[in-house]
Amino acid sequence: EIVMTQSPATLSVSPGEGATLSCRASQSLGINLAWYQQKPGQAPSLLIYGAATRATGVPDRFSGSGSGTEFTLTISSLQSEDFAIYYCQQYETWPPSITFGQGTRLDIK
Amino acid sequence: QVQLQESGPGLVKPSETLSLTCVVSGGSISSYSFYWGWVRQSPGKGLEWIGTILYSGTTSYNPSLKSRVTMSVDTSKNEFSLRLASVTAADTAIYYCARLKRQWVVLDYWGQGAPVTVSP
Repeated sequence: EIVMTQSPATLSVSPGEGATLSCRASQSLGINLAWYQQKPGQAPSLLIYGAATRATGVPDRFSGSGSGTEFTLTISSLQSEDFAIYYCQQYETWPPSITFGQGTRLDIK
Repeated sequence: QVQLQESGPGLVKPSETLSLTCVVSGGSISSYSFYWGWVRQSPGKGLEWIGTILYSGTTSYNPSLKSRVTMSVDTSKNEFSLRLASVTAADTAIYYCARLKRQWVVLDYWGQGAPVTVSP
């Protein structure tokens, strides 16, 4: 089983600043990595897939990078609506299999 | 715009079977391009993948839940279902249904979530 580890658990950042969230896999994923945003009381929302491809409608201040076992989600110039919990997710295409990281909470400083 | 809506009992007794259905609107469940799946989130916790199903009925389950999970699809009703047997308090969670892009196995559309409590 692939284990996903996100860091930090909580990140406090001021609006307008940038944020960098990390996700590490216990074995190489290639680029089979996605990022989601979850706001309180809502279902998660897909941000990034294929490690670096933004989902439809996602602002370009969100960017993903990495391959293999180390991945990063970067949010430039944080807006008030960006403060949420972010999850990374690895996937295997066949048979389909998914594992989530434990999440990083992005708080307003 | 694809929409998914979960339905089912919000309270299940320990040792019984949890049953949820997800109705899909705005798109066909019979598309070759998508899987359909379930994810749960225990109170205050992270996300746990339960399983996925293709319109043909082909399934893939989380190994940790595989012995208790059954997923099915009804293409005539454009819906799919989850059954989780022998539930305990640890199965208390919000259960989300979702559409997965088959090429990337990522969840691009989600239901609003169905809270389920396991209690006597």
